Amino acid sequence: AQSVTQPDIHITVSEGASLELRCNYSYGATPYLFWYVQSPGQGLQLLLKYFSGDTLVQGIKGFEAEFKRSQSSFNLRKPSVHWSDAAEYFCAVGLYNQGGKLIFGQGTELSVKP
Amino acid sequence: NAGVTQTPKFRVLKTGQSMTLLCAQDMNHEYMYWYRQDPGMGLRLIHYSVGEGTTAKGEVPDGYNVSRLKKQNFLLGLESAAPSQTSVYFCASSHPNQPQHFGDGTRLSIL
Repeated sequence: AQSVTQPDIHITVSEGASLELRCNYSYGATPYLFWYVQSPGQGLQLLLKYFSGDTLVQGIKGFEAEFKRSQSSFNLRKPSVHWSDAAEYFCAVGLYNQGGKLIFGQGTELSVKP
Repeated sequence: NAGVTQTPKFRVLKTGQSMTLLCAQDMNHEYMYWYRQDPGMGLRLIHYSVGEGTTAKGEVPDGYNVSRLKKQNFLLGLESAAPSQTSVYFCASSHPNQPQHFGDGTRLSIL
């Protein structure tokens, strides 16, 4: 069965420090992969997506993610975190042979220290 | 440009009551989805639709029904609400093979 695992429930980083959020997936075919961000009380906003091609993808707000097929991973990175990045981050696999539905990870809550 | 609009934003129900959540999108998307979000569990798919007049079950469909009578609207119904259905509900829509756009959610409490 398809699944997505985000091993870190909560991460705290200092403002200006680098960030890496981990995501591992289980899917038999070539995956469509996404990272979404959710601020408190808000819906989900797309940060970036991987469909095919270059395995390093750039997103909004200075985020990037790297698809590693051999490790079944799609980790999210940012070189310098800003206080406004504090939010919850979700990794998801898109099942485009099943109506495009998304399988989400449990989420990682990011706190930013001044 | 409204995007995906969910109505209502908040609701409190008593056990056994029924209600309908409305999702409307103005992007002419073919696909629409209903998810629920619970702490520590991410979002889980309830039902989805790949076109007007069609619906399909997701991961957690029990206790819910849906209808897609018009392309722009996707309704989620609770026939007899239970406390286990207390959650935040999100609607999303997309073109085929494209990222989903999410609404701001409906917070539903069932007492």
